[in-house]
Amino acid sequence: AQTVTQSQPEMSVQEAETVTLSCTYDTSESDYYLFWYKQPPSRQMILVIRQEAYKQQNATENRFSVNFQKAAKSFSLKISDSQLGDAAMYFCAYRSAATGANSKLTFGKGITLSVRP
Amino acid sequence: NAGVTQTPKFQVLKTGQSMTLQCAQDMNHEYMSWYRQDPGMGLRLIHYSVGAGITDQGEVPNGYNVSRSTTEDFPLRLLSAAPSQTSVYFCASTKGRGGGLFFGEGSRLTVL
Repeated sequence: AQTVTQSQPEMSVQEAETVTLSCTYDTSESDYYLFWYKQPPSRQMILVIRQEAYKQQNATENRFSVNFQKAAKSFSLKISDSQLGDAAMYFCAYRSAATGANSKLTFGKGITLSVRP
Repeated sequence: NAGVTQTPKFQVLKTGQSMTLQCAQDMNHEYMSWYRQDPGMGLRLIHYSVGAGITDQGEVPNGYNVSRSTTEDFPLRLLSAAPSQTSVYFCASTKGRGGGLFFGEGSRLTVL
């Protein structure tokens, strides 16, 4: 079974600075997808970024980018130019590409990010 | 386009009562799933479905039932509520291989 580990329960960043959130995962599969989700106080789960395991290029979405290290099974999220609205809980998630199992996401326990003005 | 709709958003139950959390999506997604979120535990999969008439258990299925009679609807039933089922519940759906999940707004359930 796959596992996702987010070892830092909390982080803090100064507004306008850069912060990196760490995530590692364990799998024996070679074809899979990785995600970062944001959960603000509203409770809504918002997809931030998605990475395909077979793509070497790191995904980027505006101020959000990932550092995907497949061999090390590491998938960190970098937030540049942090804004107050980035304060939220962030979840790393894994999804198998295998048929029949690919409706399941396995989540890490999350990290709470605070942004200091 | 409503996306994924969950009802109710809040519910208080007494131990032993039963209830159904409703979930509907209007995106013609094949895959639907239910998660529960507890502090310090992340989101854990309860049940999921890969299409109408097909359901399977996730990581924490005990005490919950699901059915999938249509593509759009995936209700979660609590048969006899227990305080351990106090949680926030999320319904989510996706079209197919590789996409991210679309989540409902969550339902906060308290069992006294």
